[in-house]
Amino acid sequence: AQSVTQPDARVTVSEGASLQLRCKYSYFGTPYLFWYVQYPRQGLQLLLKYYPGDPVVQGVNGFEAEFSKSNSSFHLRKASVHWSDWAVYFCAVRSNYNVLYFGSGTKLTVEP
Amino acid sequence: EAAVTQSPRSKVAVTGGKVTLSCHQTNNHDYMYWYRQDTGHGLRLIHYSYVADSTEKGDIPDGYKASRPSQENFSLILELASLSQTAVYFCASRDWGTEQFFGPGTRLTVL
Repeated sequence: AQSVTQPDARVTVSEGASLQLRCKYSYFGTPYLFWYVQYPRQGLQLLLKYYPGDPVVQGVNGFEAEFSKSNSSFHLRKASVHWSDWAVYFCAVRSNYNVLYFGSGTKLTVEP
Repeated sequence: EAAVTQSPRSKVAVTGGKVTLSCHQTNNHDYMYWYRQDTGHGLRLIHYSYVADSTEKGDIPDGYKASRPSQENFSLILELASLSQTAVYFCASRDWGTEQFFGPGTRLTVL
């Protein structure tokens, strides 16, 4: 069965520092993977998506993610974090029936 | 920009009462979904629909019913609300080849 694990419930970084949020997936076959961001009291917004092809995908606001089949990972990265990136980030895998399975989320705090 | 709206945005219900959460999309999307989010957890799928007048069970359907009277509207019904159903509920829509677009959520508190 498909599943997603985000091992870090909370991550704190300083503004301007680089960021990596970890995501491990379990899926039989080639996965379609997503990162969503949830700002306070708002719905989820798509940051980026991976469809089979180039393992590094670019998203909005300077985010990128790298797919690794050997590590079953899809980590999210950003070179320089801004205070407006303070949010909860969810990794998700899409099933054969086009249903999304989400990880438990990583809450990002940005320190000045 | 795809648009998914939900009503109400928040609701307080009593245990044993009936609750209806509504979702409306203006995207002409075929697929619609209902998820619940519990504090500190990701979203879990309750029900979904890929065509009007038809609904499918997701991973946690117990205690919930869904209704899709038209392509644009998808409702989630709690016939007998329970304390354990306190959560934030999200609706989403999708078309072939697109990602899911989420509504702003409904915060439900059952007392």
